[in-house]
Amino acid sequence: AQRVTQPEKLLSVFKGAPVELKCNYSYSGSPELFWYVQYSRQRLQLLLRHISRESIKGFTADLNKGETSFHLKKPFAQEEDSAMYYCALYNTDKLIFGTGTRLQVFP
Amino acid sequence: DARVTQTPRHKVTEMGQEVTMRCQPILGHNTVFWYRQTMMQGLELLAYFRNRAPLDDSGMPKDRFSAEMPDATLATLKIQPSEPRDSAVYFCASGDGTYQETQYFGPGTRLLVL
Repeated sequence: AQRVTQPEKLLSVFKGAPVELKCNYSYSGSPELFWYVQYSRQRLQLLLRHISRESIKGFTADLNKGETSFHLKKPFAQEEDSAMYYCALYNTDKLIFGTGTRLQVFP
Repeated sequence: DARVTQTPRHKVTEMGQEVTMRCQPILGHNTVFWYRQTMMQGLELLAYFRNRAPLDDSGMPKDRFSAEMPDATLATLKIQPSEPRDSAVYFCASGDGTYQETQYFGPGTRLLVL
């Protein structure tokens, strides 16, 4: 079955520290993956998609088919990165979301 | 700046009452999704529509939930009768129907069933 797993409910780091938000997936075909983010008092919004191979707000995510992972990384966390992050898998017109990881960046 | 709107933003009701949530997708978007967000389950897809036709509602408890799109500018999610376990934030999102479309989310309806 198609599934997205985010093993950490909460990740706390200090400003300037590296961040890695973990995402693992289960999918029989060629996966298409996304990261969505929800900042405090804002709407859930797309952060990045793996097919674009882009860096948004300093975040990158690399698809590792061998490890079935799509971890989100940033070398130096900022306080404004504090938010809820959801990994999502595209499957036939819809997205399957993970349970989310809350990132807290302390000053 | 086009946005998805949802009403009401907050709803407190008693068990057994009917709850109706409304969503106005972005003008021109032809796909509408309904999600439920809880601490334990995260974001669960309840149902989605394309060109007003329901494509998948397998995530919805059929006995008490129903979703409709009376027209292209309005989607509704109804719970009847409501139960305390339905307490959650319900999100609507819309997309333009293209492959791997970006989903644009509304602000959500926070529902509390007592």
